[in-house]
Amino acid sequence: SQQGEEDPQALSIQEGENATMNCSYKTSINNLQWYRQNSGRGLVHLILIRSNEREKHSGRLRVTLDTSKKSSSLLITASRAADTASYFCATIRDSWGKLQFGAGTQVVVTP
Amino acid sequence: DTEVTQTPKHLVMGMTNKKSLKCEQHMGHRAMYWYKQKAKKPPELMFVYSYEKLSINESVPSRFSPECPNSSLLNLHLHALQPEDSALYLCASSQDLVQETQYFGPGTRLLVL
Repeated sequence: SQQGEEDPQALSIQEGENATMNCSYKTSINNLQWYRQNSGRGLVHLILIRSNEREKHSGRLRVTLDTSKKSSSLLITASRAADTASYFCATIRDSWGKLQFGAGTQVVVTP
Repeated sequence: DTEVTQTPKHLVMGMTNKKSLKCEQHMGHRAMYWYKQKAKKPPELMFVYSYEKLSINESVPSRFSPECPNSSLLNLHLHALQPEDSALYLCASSQDLVQETQYFGPGTRLLVL
């Protein structure tokens, strides 16, 4: 079973709008990561938030982490067509090196 | 150089063929990974190498055989695959197992006929 579950599964917005997606996980974590994947290509690491952090920013990205609710959110502000991609949260499962991905949110940004 | 390269980009093979996928990184990373990704699904971990030794095998069928000839190279040897093995195969690397950020290659899209 997947460690992370994400919602929504798909999101369609217009350029300039904000996009928010959520990730829930089941077991305790040291950190949670977000990755982006453009269609049929490799994944790109976006941001890592540690379990003792509540919020982190990187450019137009804002990630929050609520360990009491076992959930995280990724906010993309002022979205662009180039933000069209699938976004995955990921956590380390069981042991170092075992990165487990959530189901992903497919984001489409239309001009 | 912060790139992970994979060859070939596309591969079509029959069920009796033997082929290999290649992954290379020159970032000095000591952990390397193989993932399998089906369409509209997240990547699934297959193998992890740490310091050129197999660290994790996620119960992958023996028709997939990984090899790490040196710290920069990772191969995945394929033999007697099934059509359901058709997928995007992703390679990734990280500084070591404890450094969690992984850097992914563009993948090899495999079609088994």
